[in-house]
Amino acid sequence: SQQGEEDPQALSIQEGENATMNCSYKTSINNLQWYRQNSGRGLVHLILIRSNEREKHSGRLRVTLDTSKKSSSLLITASRAADTASYFCATAMPGETSGSRLTFGEGTQLTVNP
Amino acid sequence: ETGVTQTPRHLVMGMTNKKSLKCEQHLGHNAMYWYKQSAKKPLELMFVYNFKEQTENNSVPSRFSPECPNSSHLFLHLHTLQPEDSALYLCASSQEPGLVSGYTFGSGTRLTVV
Repeated sequence: SQQGEEDPQALSIQEGENATMNCSYKTSINNLQWYRQNSGRGLVHLILIRSNEREKHSGRLRVTLDTSKKSSSLLITASRAADTASYFCATAMPGETSGSRLTFGEGTQLTVNP
Repeated sequence: ETGVTQTPRHLVMGMTNKKSLKCEQHLGHNAMYWYKQSAKKPLELMFVYNFKEQTENNSVPSRFSPECPNSSHLFLHLHTLQPEDSALYLCASSQEPGLVSGYTFGSGTRLTVV
């Protein structure tokens, strides 16, 4: 079964509102990463949070990590229509150092209406 | 441009054809990856190369054959594909295999098998 699962699957909000997406995972991780994908394009790395960190900020993005609950959240503040995209969380397992894998969830489709 | 270039962007091929997907990165990254993205499914890791050595083959059918001649180039050779192989194929690279940084993705090749 997949490692990361995003919630909700789809989210529709108005411009200026905040968007929160959640990610749950099953096993211990080294770090958790969030990516964004515009329709039919490649993924863009947004932010990485390590297993010993609880919160991280980057511009309008805020990521939290709760390793006891095996969950993470991505908050986008003051959303814009250009934020419309799919957002994926990806987990990296501890101890994997040889060109190893990121495991992705199914993603949350965010629509920001003007 | 992300620094990872994939060609072609779109490919339509018959089940008896042979074609190749190309990925090129000039970021000085040491690890390169092929992912498959199908509708309604999480990204599936196919192959991992670390310093041009294959370190992972994620149970991919032999009709997909990767090639990594050097750390900057990655190919995916395709032959006798099935319609269910239609998907977006994404190439990614990373600075080092230890997963302490994010991946850089290309824009993908949209493959349609007819």
